[in-house]
Amino acid sequence: EAGVTQSPTHLIKTRGQQATLRCSPISGHTSVYWYQQALGLGLQFLLWYDEGEERNRGNFPPRFSGRQFPNYSSELNVNALELEDSALYLCASLPAGLAGGSSYNEQFFGPGTRLTVL
Amino acid sequence: AQSVAQPEDQVNVAEGNPLTVKCTYSVSGNPYLFWYVQYPNRGLQFLLKYITGDNLVKGSYGFEAEFNKSQTSFHLKKPSALVSDSALYFCAVRLGNTGGFKTIFGAGTRLFVKA
Repeated sequence: EAGVTQSPTHLIKTRGQQATLRCSPISGHTSVYWYQQALGLGLQFLLWYDEGEERNRGNFPPRFSGRQFPNYSSELNVNALELEDSALYLCASLPAGLAGGSSYNEQFFGPGTRLTVL
Repeated sequence: AQSVAQPEDQVNVAEGNPLTVKCTYSVSGNPYLFWYVQYPNRGLQFLLKYITGDNLVKGSYGFEAEFNKSQTSFHLKKPSALVSDSALYFCAVRLGNTGGFKTIFGAGTRLFVKA
């Protein structure tokens, strides 16, 4: 069974540009979570998508946005990049969202996209 | 506020010795608790979880964790550490419906196992 995949592996942008990060969940998983892992700050919750809709978002500005496609893959967009957006962005999928099981199922993480803003 | 604390940034242990990585939490309601491990340049991997039942939970790679409700702790343990256990460990608490199904992660504890 293929795991969660993310692309690209690395992304280098300059301040003010836009970045698009992609995530493909495990087959059959409908929920996708996005996290930001900045150096020394642990994982910060960004966004949660389930069944194509945004269900919750963390304490990040609106320039962080995304969407989930009918095949449950997801895209994270970061507009007007700032230097402090440099981080590892992790995507995780879950086998069930609102339908049940989302509280006690573990998340399956992708390898991450390393975003560097110069 | 709901939170997870990992009081140690780093834990050093000699190979073959027991290891403990500490985690305490503050959440309302019954917690769903998880431990994940992150190896360099990799995503997080699930180790174990506590949902309900026995307070001692066994997981992958010989790790176990003990849920202590009165102390609101969920410490990760292993009887005999291996050099290959060196990694970054995250404790996490998963909120239910009232918490928007968020997962709150601790800041992480780096484990170094010396040969």
